[in-house]
Amino acid sequence: QKEVEQNSGPLSVPEGAIASLNCTYSDRGSQSFFWYRQYSGKSPELIMSIYSNGDKEDGRFTAQLNKASQYVSLLIRDSQPSDSATYLCAVNMNFGNEKLTFGTGTRLTIIP
Amino acid sequence: NAGVTQTPKFQVLKTGQSMTLQCAQDMNHNSMYWYRQDPGMGLRLIYYSASEGTTDKGEVPNGYNVSRLNKREFSLRLESAAPSQTSVYFCASSERGEDTEAFFGQGTRLTVV
Repeated sequence: QKEVEQNSGPLSVPEGAIASLNCTYSDRGSQSFFWYRQYSGKSPELIMSIYSNGDKEDGRFTAQLNKASQYVSLLIRDSQPSDSATYLCAVNMNFGNEKLTFGTGTRLTIIP
Repeated sequence: NAGVTQTPKFQVLKTGQSMTLQCAQDMNHNSMYWYRQDPGMGLRLIYYSASEGTTDKGEVPNGYNVSRLNKREFSLRLESAAPSQTSVYFCASSERGEDTEAFFGQGTRLTVV
Protein backbone atom coordinates (compact mmCIF):
# COMPACT_ATOMS: atom_id res chain seq x y z
CA GLN A 1 0.00 0.00 0.00
CA LYS A 2 1.36 3.39 -0.98
CA GLU A 3 1.69 5.85 1.87
CA VAL A 4 -0.33 8.52 0.07
CA GLU A 5 -2.86 7.61 -2.61
CA GLN A 6 -4.73 9.75 -5.09
CA ASN A 7 -6.81 9.04 -8.15
CA SER A 8 -4.55 9.88 -11.07
CA GLY A 9 -7.40 11.17 -13.21
CA PRO A 10 -7.62 12.85 -15.52
CA LEU A 11 -10.56 14.67 -13.96
CA SER A 12 -12.57 16.92 -16.26
CA VAL A 13 -14.86 19.55 -14.77
CA PRO A 14 -16.92 22.23 -16.55
CA GLU A 15 -15.97 25.83 -15.91
CA GLY A 16 -17.89 27.21 -12.94
CA ALA A 17 -18.52 23.79 -11.37
CA ILE A 18 -16.98 22.31 -8.23
CA ALA A 19 -13.89 20.14 -8.60
CA SER A 20 -13.40 17.52 -5.90
CA LEU A 21 -9.99 15.93 -5.34
CA ASN A 22 -9.40 13.12 -2.88
CA CYS A 23 -6.44 11.66 -1.04
CA THR A 24 -5.97 8.85 1.48
CA TYR A 25 -2.92 8.15 3.62
CA SER A 26 -1.72 5.07 5.46
CA ASP A 27 0.14 6.40 8.51
CA ARG A 28 -2.17 7.24 11.43
CA GLY A 29 0.64 9.27 12.99
CA SER A 30 0.50 11.84 10.21
CA GLN A 31 0.00 15.37 11.47
CA SER A 32 0.20 17.81 8.57
CA PHE A 33 -1.53 17.67 5.21
CA PHE A 34 -0.95 19.77 2.14
CA TRP A 35 -2.29 20.34 -1.34
CA TYR A 36 0.13 21.50 -4.01
CA ARG A 37 -0.66 22.62 -7.52
CA GLN A 38 1.77 21.94 -10.35
CA TYR A 39 1.50 23.39 -13.80
CA SER A 40 3.16 21.49 -16.61
CA GLY A 41 6.91 22.02 -16.61
CA LYS A 42 6.83 23.99 -13.35
CA SER A 43 7.59 23.35 -9.70
CA PRO A 44 4.85 22.45 -7.21
CA GLU A 45 3.38 25.37 -5.28
CA LEU A 46 1.43 25.15 -2.04
CA ILE A 47 -2.24 26.11 -2.20
CA MET A 48 -3.65 24.71 1.07
CA SER A 49 -2.47 23.21 4.34
CA ILE A 50 -4.61 21.61 7.04
CA TYR A 51 -3.72 20.16 10.43
CA SER A 52 -7.01 19.64 12.30
CA ASN A 53 -10.12 17.64 11.52
CA GLY A 54 -12.78 19.57 9.66
CA ASP A 55 -12.81 22.13 6.89
CA LYS A 56 -10.47 24.96 6.08
CA GLU A 57 -11.46 27.53 3.49
CA ASP A 58 -9.28 29.93 1.53
CA GLY A 59 -11.04 31.77 -1.24
CA ARG A 60 -12.36 29.26 -3.76
CA PHE A 61 -10.45 26.41 -2.12
CA THR A 62 -11.63 24.24 0.77
CA ALA A 63 -9.52 21.50 2.33
CA GLN A 64 -11.25 18.81 4.36
CA LEU A 65 -9.54 16.46 6.80
CA ASN A 66 -10.85 13.34 8.50
CA LYS A 67 -8.10 11.71 10.53
CA ALA A 68 -10.28 8.83 11.68
CA SER A 69 -10.85 7.84 8.05
CA GLN A 70 -7.32 8.90 7.02
CA TYR A 71 -8.79 11.01 4.29
CA VAL A 72 -8.11 14.51 3.01
CA SER A 73 -9.83 16.28 0.15
CA LEU A 74 -9.68 19.53 -1.78
CA LEU A 75 -12.72 21.28 -3.22
CA ILE A 76 -12.35 24.00 -5.83
CA ARG A 77 -15.46 26.12 -6.26
CA ASP A 78 -16.28 28.12 -9.38
CA SER A 79 -13.57 26.27 -11.31
CA GLN A 80 -11.62 28.36 -13.79
CA PRO A 81 -9.53 27.27 -16.80
CA SER A 82 -6.50 28.52 -14.89
CA ASP A 83 -7.17 25.78 -12.31
CA SER A 84 -6.19 23.17 -14.91
CA ALA A 85 -3.10 21.54 -13.42
CA THR A 86 -1.93 18.50 -11.51
CA TYR A 87 -2.85 18.56 -7.82
CA LEU A 88 -0.53 16.78 -5.42
CA CYS A 89 -1.50 15.67 -1.93
CA ALA A 90 1.35 15.62 0.61
CA VAL A 91 1.55 14.27 4.15
CA ASN A 92 4.07 14.93 6.92
CA MET A 93 4.35 13.18 10.28
CA ASN A 94 6.08 16.06 12.07
CA PHE A 95 7.38 15.82 15.60
CA GLY A 96 10.84 14.61 14.72
CA ASN A 97 10.00 12.80 11.51
CA GLU A 98 10.15 15.33 8.70
CA LYS A 99 9.43 12.86 5.92
CA LEU A 100 7.18 14.74 3.48
CA THR A 101 5.50 12.20 1.23
CA PHE A 102 3.50 12.97 -1.90
CA GLY A 103 0.80 11.14 -3.77
CA THR A 104 1.00 10.55 -7.51
CA GLY A 105 -1.17 13.58 -8.23
CA THR A 106 -4.51 14.12 -9.95
CA ARG A 107 -4.57 15.87 -13.29
CA LEU A 108 -7.47 18.30 -13.42
CA THR A 109 -8.80 19.84 -16.62
CA ILE A 110 -11.39 22.63 -16.51
CA ILE A 111 -13.48 22.65 -19.65
CA PRO A 112 -14.56 26.14 -20.82
CA ASN B 1 14.50 36.47 -2.48
CA ALA B 2 16.19 33.43 -4.00
CA GLY B 3 14.34 30.74 -1.99
CA VAL B 4 15.56 27.32 -3.16
CA THR B 5 18.17 27.30 -5.90
CA GLN B 6 19.08 24.18 -7.85
CA THR B 7 21.87 23.72 -10.33
CA PRO B 8 22.07 22.75 -13.10
CA LYS B 9 18.67 23.17 -14.77
CA PHE B 10 19.42 20.68 -17.53
CA GLN B 11 21.98 17.91 -17.84
CA VAL B 12 22.70 15.07 -20.23
CA LEU B 13 24.90 12.25 -18.97
CA LYS B 14 26.25 9.13 -20.53
CA THR B 15 25.58 5.82 -18.77
CA GLY B 16 28.19 5.31 -16.06
CA GLN B 17 29.10 8.97 -15.64
CA SER B 18 28.78 10.64 -12.27
CA MET B 19 27.45 14.03 -11.29
CA THR B 20 26.27 16.05 -8.33
CA LEU B 21 23.09 18.09 -8.23
CA GLN B 22 23.45 21.12 -6.02
CA CYS B 23 20.72 22.69 -3.88
CA ALA B 24 20.86 25.69 -1.59
CA GLN B 25 18.17 27.52 0.37
CA ASP B 26 18.30 30.92 2.02
CA MET B 27 15.24 30.59 4.28
CA ASN B 28 17.10 29.11 7.27
CA HIS B 29 15.04 25.93 7.01
CA ASN B 30 16.07 22.84 8.92
CA SER B 31 14.57 20.22 6.60
CA MET B 32 15.59 19.58 3.03
CA TYR B 33 14.45 17.02 0.48
CA TRP B 34 15.33 15.51 -2.85
CA TYR B 35 12.53 14.18 -5.05
CA ARG B 36 12.37 12.73 -8.51
CA GLN B 37 9.32 13.10 -10.74
CA ASP B 38 8.50 10.72 -13.55
CA PRO B 39 5.37 10.76 -15.70
CA GLY B 40 2.41 9.35 -13.76
CA MET B 41 4.51 8.76 -10.65
CA GLY B 42 4.10 11.99 -8.75
CA LEU B 43 6.98 13.11 -6.56
CA ARG B 44 8.97 10.24 -5.08
CA LEU B 45 11.23 10.97 -2.15
CA ILE B 46 14.85 9.98 -2.69
CA TYR B 47 16.48 11.28 0.51
CA TYR B 48 15.67 13.83 3.12
CA SER B 49 17.48 15.65 5.88
CA ALA B 50 15.62 16.75 8.98
CA SER B 51 18.52 18.85 10.19
CA GLU B 52 22.15 19.64 9.52
CA GLY B 53 24.21 16.49 9.91
CA THR B 54 21.37 13.99 9.43
CA THR B 55 20.09 12.26 6.33
CA ASP B 56 17.52 9.52 5.82
CA LYS B 57 16.46 7.35 2.94
CA GLY B 58 13.17 7.95 1.25
CA GLU B 59 11.19 5.75 -1.10
CA VAL B 60 13.73 5.40 -3.93
CA PRO B 61 17.31 5.87 -2.56
CA ASN B 62 19.13 3.22 -4.62
CA GLY B 63 21.75 4.67 -6.93
CA TYR B 64 21.97 7.99 -5.08
CA ASN B 65 23.96 9.52 -2.25
CA VAL B 66 23.41 12.80 -0.45
CA SER B 67 25.36 15.23 1.63
CA ARG B 68 23.97 17.84 3.98
CA LEU B 69 27.00 20.10 3.75
CA ASN B 70 25.60 22.72 6.13
CA LYS B 71 22.19 24.12 6.98
CA ARG B 72 21.87 25.80 3.57
CA GLU B 73 23.10 23.13 1.20
CA PHE B 74 21.94 19.61 0.36
CA SER B 75 23.53 17.85 -2.60
CA LEU B 76 22.50 14.74 -4.51
CA ARG B 77 25.11 12.56 -6.19
CA LEU B 78 24.73 9.96 -8.87
CA GLU B 79 27.86 7.81 -8.76
CA SER B 80 27.21 5.80 -11.92
CA ALA B 81 24.27 7.14 -13.89
CA ALA B 82 21.79 4.74 -15.47
CA PRO B 83 19.03 5.40 -18.03
CA SER B 84 16.48 4.60 -15.30
CA GLN B 85 17.63 7.75 -13.53
CA THR B 86 16.38 9.93 -16.36
CA SER B 87 13.91 12.16 -14.56
CA VAL B 88 13.14 15.63 -13.28
CA TYR B 89 14.72 16.20 -9.89
CA PHE B 90 13.37 18.67 -7.35
CA CYS B 91 14.98 19.93 -4.21
CA ALA B 92 12.76 21.34 -1.48
CA SER B 93 13.12 22.80 1.99
CA SER B 94 10.79 23.38 4.92
CA GLU B 95 10.80 24.44 8.51
CA ARG B 96 10.28 21.85 11.22
CA GLY B 97 7.09 21.67 13.20
CA GLU B 98 3.48 22.06 12.24
CA ASP B 99 3.88 24.79 9.63
CA THR B 100 5.95 22.66 7.30
CA GLU B 101 5.20 24.26 3.95
CA ALA B 102 7.80 22.97 1.52
CA PHE B 103 9.34 25.36 -0.98
CA PHE B 104 10.68 23.88 -4.20
CA GLY B 105 13.53 24.68 -6.49
CA GLN B 106 12.94 25.05 -10.21
CA GLY B 107 13.95 21.47 -10.95
CA THR B 108 16.74 19.74 -12.86
CA ARG B 109 15.88 17.83 -15.99
CA LEU B 110 18.37 14.98 -16.23
CA THR B 111 18.70 12.68 -19.22
CA VAL B 112 20.95 9.63 -19.10
CA VAL B 113 21.76 8.15 -22.50
